[in-house]
Amino acid sequence: NAGVTQTPKFQVLKTGQSMTLQCAQDMNHNSMYWYRQDPGMGLRLIYYSASEGTTDKGEVPNGYNVSRLNKREFSLRLESAAPSQTSVYFCASSPRPTYEQYFGPGTRLTVT
Amino acid sequence: TQLLEQSPQFLSIQEGENLTVYCNSSSVFSSLQWYRQEPGEGPVLLVTVVTGGEVKKLKRLTFQFGDARKDSSLHITAAQPGDTGLYLCAGASRRYGQNFVFGPGTRLSVLP
Repeated sequence: NAGVTQTPKFQVLKTGQSMTLQCAQDMNHNSMYWYRQDPGMGLRLIYYSASEGTTDKGEVPNGYNVSRLNKREFSLRLESAAPSQTSVYFCASSPRPTYEQYFGPGTRLTVT
Repeated sequence: TQLLEQSPQFLSIQEGENLTVYCNSSSVFSSLQWYRQEPGEGPVLLVTVVTGGEVKKLKRLTFQFGDARKDSSLHITAAQPGDTGLYLCAGASRRYGQNFVFGPGTRLSVLP
């Protein structure tokens, strides 16, 4: 039982490059989330998926897209990376909104 | 402007001391969670409080939800080096489909 897994763990991109962050959970949870964490800002919600087949914008969605591929997997795509997207990205899952969230280990992304 | 404010931002204490950290907002939350995050890892849930005035204890940690459900406190008795970490509060917000909005965190360092 791996919980929430994220790949890659570290990534360096040049401005304008694209990439997809992968997330998978094996807890049969309905809801999944993508956050970014910046110093002094806490965790900010980028996108969420309350259930398979649905996605919604969170607090800071600009510059990102998501895909809920199936119940297990929720990916985050940066189409044209910018230095302002340098951050640590966390994926999380929960049985449903307002329940306990289980977080992955994070992806540290640097955009130069 | 952050929906949730946490204080203090940093706290460094000696092993055995007591401490209290605070989480405040002008908004009412239907529930509030506390997480602890260690370096290089994702946050881990400590507690969820849902009723105004509710007090929950987890070994040496005592959590209180304000009567008006706008604020919360975390009290640690006889702190130990293993308590070191970033403490995050998160309130369930209708703004994002009842998903949680996180505060910026209190970074605690307990020195042996």
